[in-house]
Amino acid sequence: QVQLQESGPGLVKPSGTLSLTCAVSGGSISSDNWWSWVRQPPGKGLEWIGEMYHTGSTNYNPSLKSRVTISLDKSKSQFSLNLMSVTAADTAVYFCARRSWVLLYFDYWGHGTLVTVSS
Amino acid sequence: QTAVTQEPSFSVSPGGTVTLTCGLSSGSVSTNYFPSWYQQTRGQAPRTLIYTTNSRSSGVPDRFSGSILGNKAALTITGAQADDESDYYCVLYMGSYWVFGGGTKLTVL
Repeated sequence: QVQLQESGPGLVKPSGTLSLTCAVSGGSISSDNWWSWVRQPPGKGLEWIGEMYHTGSTNYNPSLKSRVTISLDKSKSQFSLNLMSVTAADTAVYFCARRSWVLLYFDYWGHGTLVTVSS
Repeated sequence: QTAVTQEPSFSVSPGGTVTLTCGLSSGSVSTNYFPSWYQQTRGQAPRTLIYTTNSRSSGVPDRFSGSILGNKAALTITGAQADDESDYYCVLYMGSYWVFGGGTKLTVL
């Protein structure tokens, strides 16, 4: 059973960089899947941020593309999110998820971690 | 960027049937958008219900079904139960990125 676990600071200052890591267990990060980030501001809906394949290919939300970088570390079986120049609007629960390459859906999710942007 | 539309809220009686829809602000949803559906109970991670339009995820009861109805993707719950009261999200594949709908808050009463 694949398990995903997010980790990282729960508080980030405005104009700073939000950095999160998702640890993957129970399956190979080099499998035919994409590794994704999704966020949910308090009381609002889900927003897809971006994804990465183990070969290094990435896809990003066009509205966030200029501020987002997703990377992957095969040796540690984890992938990461960096979001630059954050504002209060970036306050959200951040989920990592696995996206099936073949069936094109999000089949495993982490529990999510709340990141608050505040001084 | 094209928006994905969902009903903000819906209500169903216990044992009743409800159909939630997932549309586009411009154009029609087809199977080419690989619609999938997720259930989210307050404070928890989304749970996958339906993928590639009408395939049920492992462990999902068969009272949940997906389809294309007219120009929208649809999630139908037949014989609604109290614990179906949740938020439901669809997501569509736009070719190189994904767009979630705003979600539907389903009340069972």
